[in-house]
Amino acid sequence: GAGVSQSPSNKVTEKGKDVELRCDPISGHTALYWYRQSLGQGLEFLIYFQGNSAPDKSGLPSDRFSAERTGGSVSTLTIQRTQQEDSAVYLCASSLLTSGTNEQFFGPGTRLTVL
Amino acid sequence: AQSVTQLDSQVPVFEEAPVELRCNYSSSVSVYLFWYVQYPNQGLQLLLKYLSGSTLVKGINGFEAEFNKSQTSFHLRKPSVHISDTAEYFCAVSARYSGAGSYQLTFGKGTKLSVIP
Repeated sequence: GAGVSQSPSNKVTEKGKDVELRCDPISGHTALYWYRQSLGQGLEFLIYFQGNSAPDKSGLPSDRFSAERTGGSVSTLTIQRTQQEDSAVYLCASSLLTSGTNEQFFGPGTRLTVL
Repeated sequence: AQSVTQLDSQVPVFEEAPVELRCNYSSSVSVYLFWYVQYPNQGLQLLLKYLSGSTLVKGINGFEAEFNKSQTSFHLRKPSVHISDTAEYFCAVSARYSGAGSYQLTFGKGTKLSVIP
């Protein structure tokens, strides 16, 4: 079946512009996660959605970052007034279970470059 | 809270040689353990996971890992590597309970495995 998809695959933007990154999770997966992968920094948790519960936004690095998940499926990560330090690969993942086994399935990522 | 340390950022190894990628973790609660692989320009793919039971876990592509509770380690091994194993490998943990924060995966910073022909 279809995996997690993300768009665009690459995004180049100018400093100060807003960007939107999209994630389509695996059908039926109730949990959705966003991570940021910066060079040499590993994966940094950003935000988590589970069903109709309030999202866990504890990983968002600043108020320029926000995310929505419409209809319990597609999610959009928005970065306002982008800065050069926002350049990274943004990965989305989804999972069926929300227990601690937590096997997450990852999309291919969006590579964001802020000039 | 959990933390994960991958002791080697880069590991070069000759083709058909064995390899071990090291992972240590710290946690105040029991954990589940995972290894993910990331091929160039791709997302992460689950290699294997330890949930419970036998401490030796076998995964895809001939990889295996051993959970050592006393040493808080979960090292990844393969007896004979191939060129196609060149990738970045991430160790991750999640808390073994249901509740706030249990869903979070905490990742190490990754180990880049380079297989030399």
